Parts: sequence; C-alpha cells; structure tokens
Amino acid sequence: GAGVSQSPSNKVTEKGKDVELRCDPISGHTALYWYRQSLGQGLEFLIYFQGNSAPDKSGLPSDRFSAERTGGSVSTLTIQRTQQEDSAVYLCASSRLAGAGEQYFGPGTRLTVT
Amino acid sequence: GENVEQHPSTLSVQEGDSAVIKCTYSDSASNYFPWYKQELGKGPQLIIDIRSNVGEKKDQRIAVTLNKTAKHFSLHITETQPEDSAVYFCAASILGYSTLTFGKGTMLLVSP
Repeated sequence: GAGVSQSPSNKVTEKGKDVELRCDPISGHTALYWYRQSLGQGLEFLIYFQGNSAPDKSGLPSDRFSAERTGGSVSTLTIQRTQQEDSAVYLCASSRLAGAGEQYFGPGTRLTVT
Repeated sequence: GENVEQHPSTLSVQEGDSAVIKCTYSDSASNYFPWYKQELGKGPQLIIDIRSNVGEKKDQRIAVTLNKTAKHFSLHITETQPEDSAVYFCAASILGYSTLTFGKGTMLLVSP
C-alpha cells in the first residue's frame, strides 16, 4: 500500500522567506509526527498530532515554526522568516496508534536556506 | 525527559563479520525500543523493535537485546553484507504516552 509521502522533495529558499512543507500520512493512521534531521545528526522531534487532541508542540525550536493537520490527515509544517540554520531534512512519520509504537517515515524534504 | 546515547558513531566491518551497535537510555519508564535503518536519501525504516517484557528478539540476521537493569539495548547484525551499509538509529519511548527519542545514529560500512 501507499506509504507516507512528502512534498516537495527538495526546497531551496532565500533567507527571510516563508516555506510550507507537506506530509500525507498512511491512510487510517491517527498519529503524525514531524522531525528535523541536520547533517550528521539524529532525528530531532518537532511536533506530534494525535487524532483531535491538541498537538504536542514541545519540540518546535522557535515561534517561526508552526504546523497544522487538517481533517486528521494531511499536515503542513510552516517555517516563517527562514534562517540558514533551518537548513535540514524535515521528516514526517505516521503511526496507527497514539504514543509512538511503529512509526513509518516519509522520504523527507531537504530544505536549503541560502 | 528521555536521553538516548548511541555508540559507535561509525563502524566499519568486512563482509561476513558481525556488527554490534549499543544504546543506553535514561528513563526507566521507557518500554519500547525500535531500531531504524536509513539509507542515503531515504527516510528511516523500522527493522526490528523490542518491548521491555522480553530480553531478546531475533529476525533472520538481526537481533536486539535489552538489559532493563542497566538501561541499555543493542543491535546485532550477523553475516553482514554490503547492502547492510546505512545509518542505524536506536530509539526509546513509553508506549502510549510519549514520542520516540532517537540516538544520534551509527554509520555502518560493510566492505566487500
């Protein structure tokens, strides 16, 4: 079946511009996660959506980062006024049940801020 | 919060050798420990996981062991093959209550 998809696969933007990254989770998965992976680093948790509950935003690095999940499915991660340190691969994952368990990852969006 | 340490950061082996990657965690309440494999340009893929009610789990050439007392768990790959070359991540969580906390990854290189 279809896995987690993300778009775009690559995004180059100028410092100060806003960007939107999209994630389509696996159908029927109630939980959705966003992570950031910087070069040579592990996965940094950003935000977690679970059903209709309020999202866990504890990993967002600044108020320039926000995310929403519409209709319990597609999610968009928005970075406002991008900075060079925002350059990274942004990964989305989904899981059937809440609270981790098996997470299925998308291929990621590579963001480069020039 | 949870903290996961992973070692080594890089590991080079010859084809056919075994490879072992070790992780420690800090939160004694953690009860779920997955391992992910990430190939270049792709997202991480779950390869094996273990829950705290067992001490070892095997799946063909890979196995994971868990020592709850010492709060560490390890990934064992036997008869390594060049296609095993990738970055491997360990993680820990409390099922139903928390998200995954990942280690920083191990780059495994298997030379023919």
